[in-house]
Amino acid sequence: QKEVEQDPGPLSVPEGAIVSLNCTYSNSAFQYFMWYRQYSRKGPELLMYTYSSGNKEDGRFTAQVDKSSKYISLFIRDSQPSDSATYLCAMQRDDKIIFGKGTRLHILP
Amino acid sequence: NAGVTQTPKFQVLKTGQSMTLQCAQDMNHEYMSWYRQDPGMGLRLIHYSVGAGITDQGEVPNGYNVSRSTTEDFPLRLLSAAPSQTSVYFCASSYSGARNSPLHFGNGTRLTVT
Repeated sequence: QKEVEQDPGPLSVPEGAIVSLNCTYSNSAFQYFMWYRQYSRKGPELLMYTYSSGNKEDGRFTAQVDKSSKYISLFIRDSQPSDSATYLCAMQRDDKIIFGKGTRLHILP
Repeated sequence: NAGVTQTPKFQVLKTGQSMTLQCAQDMNHEYMSWYRQDPGMGLRLIHYSVGAGITDQGEVPNGYNVSRSTTEDFPLRLLSAAPSQTSVYFCASSYSGARNSPLHFGNGTRLTVT
């Protein structure tokens, strides 16, 4: 079992819908949780990061962490075609940052 | 501000050849790392460094060497390239180790080994 599991999709939703992206993890040593967005042929860019269980909001994006269930989520409200990208969850333990496989998201106009 | 710069952008090697992928950052970041990205596999950590003179292995270190003689540079060496090393390679850096500090990525080097 990989330490970080993420459904690769693809996930297609209509414009304006709420998108939910999820990751699970198996190692309780993970302390720091991140979401990255990656456009085609580009490096990943940071969207959200958090340490603790609970919700963190930034504009249309909300990151949610449930350490008891070892489950993290990213919600995108009022999705736009420009949100079409691959979304990667990432988690830090010790000095290593481990990524999920990424979920390909398509927002349909 | 250039951020993280990777060179070359594209490279084709024959099996058995060696080469070095370059990575430089101008943000005075202590932490640097190398990932490879393959279809369906996500980003996998190859090697990382928490500061000049210190390196350590990640998830998939075999076939790769690194060194960190300066804060700015973190080259990745392929000693004898194999087709299994065909991938997109990303270098990333962050300010204070990996703790509490997000990674900044370069735009990748696309390597094909024939």
